Amino acid sequence: EAQVTQNPRYLITVTGKKLTVTCSQNMNHEYMSWYRQDPGLGLRQIYYSMNVEVTDKGDVPEGYKVSRKEKRNFPLILESPSPNQTSLYFCASSLLGPGQGSYEQYFGPGTRLTVT
Amino acid sequence: AQKVTQAQTEISVVEKEDVTLDCVYETRDTTYYLFWYKQPPSGELVFLIRRNSFDEQNEISGRYSWNFQKSTSSFNFTITASQVVDSAVYFCALSEAGDTGGFKTIFGAGTRLFVKA
Repeated sequence: EAQVTQNPRYLITVTGKKLTVTCSQNMNHEYMSWYRQDPGLGLRQIYYSMNVEVTDKGDVPEGYKVSRKEKRNFPLILESPSPNQTSLYFCASSLLGPGQGSYEQYFGPGTRLTVT
Repeated sequence: AQKVTQAQTEISVVEKEDVTLDCVYETRDTTYYLFWYKQPPSGELVFLIRRNSFDEQNEISGRYSWNFQKSTSSFNFTITASQVVDSAVYFCALSEAGDTGGFKTIFGAGTRLFVKA
């Protein structure tokens, strides 16, 4: 089954304790991305990656890191989480079409993170 | 700067009514892509439609239709004869080339649709 998986689905942590949220897709997609969803703000892009070793900042990258060492995996790292990073996080992937066009994104189930 | 505005925060309709969700976008590029996604109460995000900037044809898919007008930078979504199962948050999104290549994606704040039986 084609899917994007995220782990963990729920996480409660304390300020300053480093954490990683994993994301994996089995569709051989080139493009992967992380978003955070907050009430009234929609989804905001944190980082995206066009392919292995190619990453770029979205609109809200501060406080986050990513890496793309393998095509299927795109972990999100919070080196020193703070309460303002409490949010619902979505990972997504998509194909890059002919001419590198942007195609629909397939989303993971979400990770609800609480930082106290 | 790129921006997506969904001015309607919440809409409430009675079943079988038609409803239109508005989306207005701003972009500096001539090549861009527009999307609509649905987020039902269960929380997952479901793709509905994609349009590129060179294709202004309107599209109909069952009870759903989309009206893309570059002249007004709008990409509106209409549900005909709404049903309770249409109750969800709907997001409009814009994807365009980022500063260093790749595609940045901007989502609107979403419109929450309530369809009452």
